[in-house]
Amino acid sequence: DIQMTQSPSSLSASVGDRVTITCRASQSINSYLNWYQQKPGKAPKLLIYTASSLQSGVPLRFSGSGSGTDFTLTISSLQPEDFATYYCQQSDSTPETFGQGTKVEIK
Amino acid sequence: QLQLQESGPGLVKPSETLSLTCTVSGGSISSDDYYWGWIRQPPGKGLEWIGSIYYRGSPYYRPSLKSRVTMSVDPSKNQFSLNLSSVTAADTAVYYCARHARRHAYSTFDLWGQGSLVSVSS
Repeated sequence: DIQMTQSPSSLSASVGDRVTITCRASQSINSYLNWYQQKPGKAPKLLIYTASSLQSGVPLRFSGSGSGTDFTLTISSLQPEDFATYYCQQSDSTPETFGQGTKVEIK
Repeated sequence: QLQLQESGPGLVKPSETLSLTCTVSGGSISSDDYYWGWIRQPPGKGLEWIGSIYYRGSPYYRPSLKSRVTMSVDPSKNQFSLNLSSVTAADTAVYYCARHARRHAYSTFDLWGQGSLVSVSS
C-alpha cells in the first residue's frame, strides 16, 4: 500500500492567516492526489482533486499543488468556517489510501 | 440533488457479520459514470477505504479486508450494501457510503453519506 504522511498533524492559526499543509506519498503518485475537509461529526467534503483542481463550489482561497511524492494544500486567508481536519488521499493505485489528517485549530 | 444515506444496526457482536445499506436518492445508482464506495473511520482516527462497486457489479476491495468483505448493489432499490464478516472491536467505526467518481484522469469520493456508527461489542 502507498503510505500518505501529512504534516503537521495539527496547527493553530488565526483568522486571516495563510495556512499550508503538506502531504508526502511513499512512492510517486503522479498527480493523483485529492484533499478533503472534515468538520466534527460530519462526513468529509472533497476540496481539491488531481492535486490542483478545485471542486465545484469550493472557495478560491483553497489551492493545491505538487506532483510525484510531495503535495501542498494552501488556504490563503483562513476563515472561521475553515477550522476542521484536512485529509489527503492518493488515487494512483489500489487500495486508495488517506493521510492521517491535519487538524486546523483556532489560535 | 443526489443524497446518500446509510442504514443498519449500530451494534454488532464479535465474530458476527456487520451489514449496512446505502440508499441513493435524488438520482440513479445506475450511472455509467460512477462507482459506489464504502469508507470507514474508527473513533478519533483517520479514513480507510473498504471497497467500491459498479451498478452492474464488479466490486473491488481493500486487499487487507478482502477475505471478510462482500459488497452488492440493487439497482431496482437504488441501494448498495456492505457485509463485513467475523468482526472484532477493531471494526468499530463510523461507516460512510460515498459516490466514487472513477475516471481515466482522476478518482475521487465526491459525495458522502452522513455516516453510520457501528460498534462491535458483546
